[in-house]
Amino acid sequence: GESVGLHLPTLSVQEGDNSIINCAYSNSASDYFIWYKQESGKGPQFIIDIRSNMDKRQGQRVTVLLNKTVKHLSLQIAATQPGDSAVYFCAENWGPDKLIFGTGTRLQVFP
Amino acid sequence: EPEVTQTPSHQVTQMGQEVILRCVPISNHLYFYWYRQILGQKVEFLVSFYNNEISEKSEIFDDQFSVERPDGSNFTLKIRSTKLEDSAMYFCASSESPSVGEQYFGPGTRLTVT
Repeated sequence: GESVGLHLPTLSVQEGDNSIINCAYSNSASDYFIWYKQESGKGPQFIIDIRSNMDKRQGQRVTVLLNKTVKHLSLQIAATQPGDSAVYFCAENWGPDKLIFGTGTRLQVFP
Repeated sequence: EPEVTQTPSHQVTQMGQEVILRCVPISNHLYFYWYRQILGQKVEFLVSFYNNEISEKSEIFDDQFSVERPDGSNFTLKIRSTKLEDSAMYFCASSESPSVGEQYFGPGTRLTVT
C-alpha cells in the first residue's frame, strides 16, 4: 500500500549543530523524492529533490541522501538556524501527478 | 517571486452546505493540484488537473468533490455537501510540469465544518 513514513516525530537541536531527518518509503518503484518544509500557518515549501538514479544531492546547507536498498531517505541540514524550525515532510512521487507525503518531523532549534 | 494564492484563508460552514475554495496558480503553470491536511496529520493528495480534466484522484476525492478551472486564472475545489470530517487545511499547488521538479503550494484555506 501507500506508505511514506518518518522515524522521529520531533527533533530538537542546538543552533549551529547539524540536523538529520529520516524517512522510510515503501514503494520500491518510486523514482522521485522531495523534501518539503512547512512553517506554522503556511503551505509546504520545496527544499530539495532527488531522483532514484542518484544517491546524494546537495543544496545550500541541505543534503538529501537516498538509500534504495533499504528504501530510506534523509535530509541533512548543516549549521541549523532558528529559521529552520518547522515541520519537514518527505514526499514520494507516485506516478507523474501524485505526491504521497510522509507523516512529518518537527524540527525545534534551540539557541 | 510568483506565488500561488488561495481565498479565503478561513472558511466556516455548516454541515451539509456547499463550499468553494479558490486558488490562483502561478501564471505559466499548467498542472494544478489540491491537497488537504487534517490538523496534526500529514498532507494528503486529493486530485491533479491538467488540460481541463482530472488526471488523477485519490480515494478521498469522492462524488462530493469537484474541481474546475472556470477561467484562465482560477482553479476551484467544490465540496457539495460538507461533513464534519471535511474540516482541514486545503492546499492548492501548481507546477510547470508534473515530472520535473517542485509543486508550488499556496498558503492554504482552513475549512471548519460545524
